[in-house]
Amino acid sequence: NAGVTQTPKFQVLKTGQSMTLQCAQDMNHNSMYWYRQDPGMGLRLIYYSASEGTTDKGEVPNGYNVSRLNKREFSLRLESAAPSQTSVYFCASRTVRILTQETQYFGPGTRLLVL
Amino acid sequence: LAKTTQPISMDSYEGQEVNITCSHNNIATNDYITWYQQFPSQGPRFIIQGYKTKVTNEVASLFIPADRKSSTLSLPRVSLSDTAVYYCLVGDMFEFSGGYNKLIFGAGTRLAVHP
Repeated sequence: NAGVTQTPKFQVLKTGQSMTLQCAQDMNHNSMYWYRQDPGMGLRLIYYSASEGTTDKGEVPNGYNVSRLNKREFSLRLESAAPSQTSVYFCASRTVRILTQETQYFGPGTRLLVL
Repeated sequence: LAKTTQPISMDSYEGQEVNITCSHNNIATNDYITWYQQFPSQGPRFIIQGYKTKVTNEVASLFIPADRKSSTLSLPRVSLSDTAVYYCLVGDMFEFSGGYNKLIFGAGTRLAVHP
């Protein structure tokens, strides 16, 4: 049981390049999330997916696209990277059973530097 | 979604009890309160969750007054390893409600524990 895994761990891009951040979870969770965290700041929600086949915008979706490939995988794509997208990106998955303890897990993060 | 307000930072010393208060004046009936902990270079980790009154686990206690407009995370006898950022989140507990799948993190409270 690996939990939430993210690839790559670190990436350097030039302005205008594209890339896809991969996320996978093996806990059979329905909901998955992408956040970004800038230095010294809290996490900001980019996109989320309530279930396989659905995605919705979060607080800061501009410049990003997502794909919920299947229940396990949720990818984040930067079509044309900008220096303002330099950040640490966290993927998370979550399930909640009504009236019981929530379980949400975060991946280790992807550090992205856009030059 | 209910907005949360926390102190930006707190300082404490080893062995002391630390109480971090979160205000959520617009909390809704279906909302529950969850706290996360984040160490540098890691994703947030779930600490505790509650709906009303008091919840205790092996890590912390969560106190929620009757009006539920605030909550207090209590960390007993902190150590240096409790130095982290603590986030308070308020979210819907019913999976098919509109607000359920959004998890919005605020800036959090930076706790520094000193020797």
